[in-house]
Amino acid sequence: AQTVTQSQPEMSVQEAETVTLSCTYDTSESDYYLFWYKQPPSRQMILVIRQEAYKQQNATENRFSVNFQKAAKSFSLKISDSQLGDAAMYFCAYPRALGGGADGLTFGKGTHLIIQP
Amino acid sequence: KAGVTQTPRYLIKTRGQQVTLSCSPISGHRSVSWYQQTPGQGLQFLFEYFSETQRNKGNFPGRFSGRQFSNSRSEMNVSTLELGDSALYLCASSPGDDYTQYFGPGTRLTVL
Repeated sequence: AQTVTQSQPEMSVQEAETVTLSCTYDTSESDYYLFWYKQPPSRQMILVIRQEAYKQQNATENRFSVNFQKAAKSFSLKISDSQLGDAAMYFCAYPRALGGGADGLTFGKGTHLIIQP
Repeated sequence: KAGVTQTPRYLIKTRGQQVTLSCSPISGHRSVSWYQQTPGQGLQFLFEYFSETQRNKGNFPGRFSGRQFSNSRSEMNVSTLELGDSALYLCASSPGDDYTQYFGPGTRLTVL
């Protein structure tokens, strides 16, 4: 079974600074997807960024980017110019099974990101 | 497009009762997944439906069941509620081609 590990239960960063959240995963597949989701206090899960493993280029969405190291099975999220609205739980996720296009996700335990004003 | 909607948003039940939660996916999405989120266990996959068929099920007892209708709307049912069923239940829909899941706001279930 695939596992997703987030080793940082909590991170704190000053507003406007950069922070990196770590995620490692275990898989024997060669082609797959990886996701970062954000869950603010409202509890709504919001897709932050998605990476397709066969793509060499790291995904970027505005201030959010990933550092995808396929050989190391590492998928970290970098948030630049942190804003107060970035405060949330961040979850790394991997598909439960590949081949069908949609089969639910396996989530890490999450990292609680605190933004210091 | 409208996002995923879930009803009700909050629910209080007592042990032994049963509950039904509803989820309407994004228009055009045929896959609906359900998750349970608790402080102790985190996010756990319950089951996934595609075109009215349950394709996958997580490691939950048979008290947890679901179904999907022809319009892709889905319901999940929990019978004989236990205190440990208190959780945030999240529904997510997917177009079914790239594993991306789009989540609803959740239903907060409290079992007394």
